[in-house]
Amino acid sequence: DAGVTQSPTHLIKTRGQQVTLRCSPKSGHDTVSWYQQALGQGPQFIFQYYEEEERQRGNFPDRFSGHQFPNYSSELNVNALLLGDSALYLCASSAGTSNTEAFFGQGTRLTVV
Amino acid sequence: GENVEQHPSTLSVQEGDSAVIKCTYSDSASNYFPWYKQELGKRPQLIIDIRSNVGEKKDQRIAVTLNKTAKHFSLHITETQPEDSAVYFCAAKPSGYALNFGKGTSLLVTP
Repeated sequence: DAGVTQSPTHLIKTRGQQVTLRCSPKSGHDTVSWYQQALGQGPQFIFQYYEEEERQRGNFPDRFSGHQFPNYSSELNVNALLLGDSALYLCASSAGTSNTEAFFGQGTRLTVV
Repeated sequence: GENVEQHPSTLSVQEGDSAVIKCTYSDSASNYFPWYKQELGKRPQLIIDIRSNVGEKKDQRIAVTLNKTAKHFSLHITETQPEDSAVYFCAAKPSGYALNFGKGTSLLVTP
């Protein structure tokens, strides 16, 4: 079992550009959540996908959008990148809707210049 | 929304000593409280979790306590080892699906 996998591991983008990050959940998991972790901070919840729909959203602007595919993998899209979007983006997968353990991927380090 | 406060932000202990990290939460509906360990450049990994119907949980050298009335929970690590050095995050999950994390505690265990 490969666990949660994210791609790419590192990315450098220019202000105003768009970026797509990808996540494959742990085998047997159907729920994917995305978090933004700024340097020296705890992860901040962006949104969660379940059954291909956004189930809950955190306090992030509409520039942040996502998608979940029938195989449960997910994408995070960020438009009109700002310098402040530079962070580690973490994907976490879990099973079902109950309070089960969330497994995190290694993250994608996004740098906006 | 849920607000999770975590203290201290840094903690330095000698090998063999105990370490305690404390968190408070604001939403009384929170019912799940995991603790994650994140080593430099690595993913957060769950080390222990507790649900609101339990007051204490132990796993070898690690224990977590929960006081629902006071809305605080704590992580206790006994007989610390250098490999325990990492950043530890507490989190709380209110009704809904988001985990709300504290800002983290950087633990350094010196030999």
